[in-house]
Amino acid sequence: RKEVEQDPGPFNVPEGATVAFNCTYSNSASQSFFWYRQDCRKEPKLLMSVYSSGNEDGRFTAQLNRASQYISLLIRDSKLSDSATYLCVVSNSGYSTLTFGKGTMLLVSP
Amino acid sequence: DAGVTQSPTHLIKTRGQQVTLRCSPKSGHDTVSWYQQALGQGPQFIFQYYEEEERQRGNFPDRFSGHQFPNYSSELNVNALLLGDSALYLCASSSPKRGSYEQYFGPGTRLTVT
Repeated sequence: RKEVEQDPGPFNVPEGATVAFNCTYSNSASQSFFWYRQDCRKEPKLLMSVYSSGNEDGRFTAQLNRASQYISLLIRDSKLSDSATYLCVVSNSGYSTLTFGKGTMLLVSP
Repeated sequence: DAGVTQSPTHLIKTRGQQVTLRCSPKSGHDTVSWYQQALGQGPQFIFQYYEEEERQRGNFPDRFSGHQFPNYSSELNVNALLLGDSALYLCASSSPKRGSYEQYFGPGTRLTVT
């Protein structure tokens, strides 16, 4: 079983749609959780950290369920500029080394 | 505030050759991690440097080695290049000592081995 698994995608949605990405992780000792966004041929950029209480940043909401080892990202009112690959990331140690999922591509169309 | 920088941006090497990639961390960060991203995959952790020592290592052969300098910048060296080493090499910096576990990535070096 892979350490971090994500929906395979791609997700094709119209502008204004709500889209949800799901992710599961295998290591119950994982300590920190993140969503990164990666544009084509660019570096990953931190979108948001994910906390047990859930957190929201504008149109983006992240949830963490430690019992189920499940992480989600919800994007509301999708924009064309949201088109990118979304990477689910966990950190298993205090040294902050990251384990990435394969990523889920989102394509938002007019 | 300068972000993470990497050089070169692109590199083409022949199988069997050696390569050195360079990274300067974000200002105020003391920890540098290196990742390899093959096409269509998520980045994979190679190793992490802190206080000029390799602190953790991923599942990569000894052909991959690195170094961190007193100014926190870092190098990644790959010997005896294989075709499968073709990838985007990403450097990320962080400062766990300051309680910041978030990692910030540089633009990467795209290595092509022919």
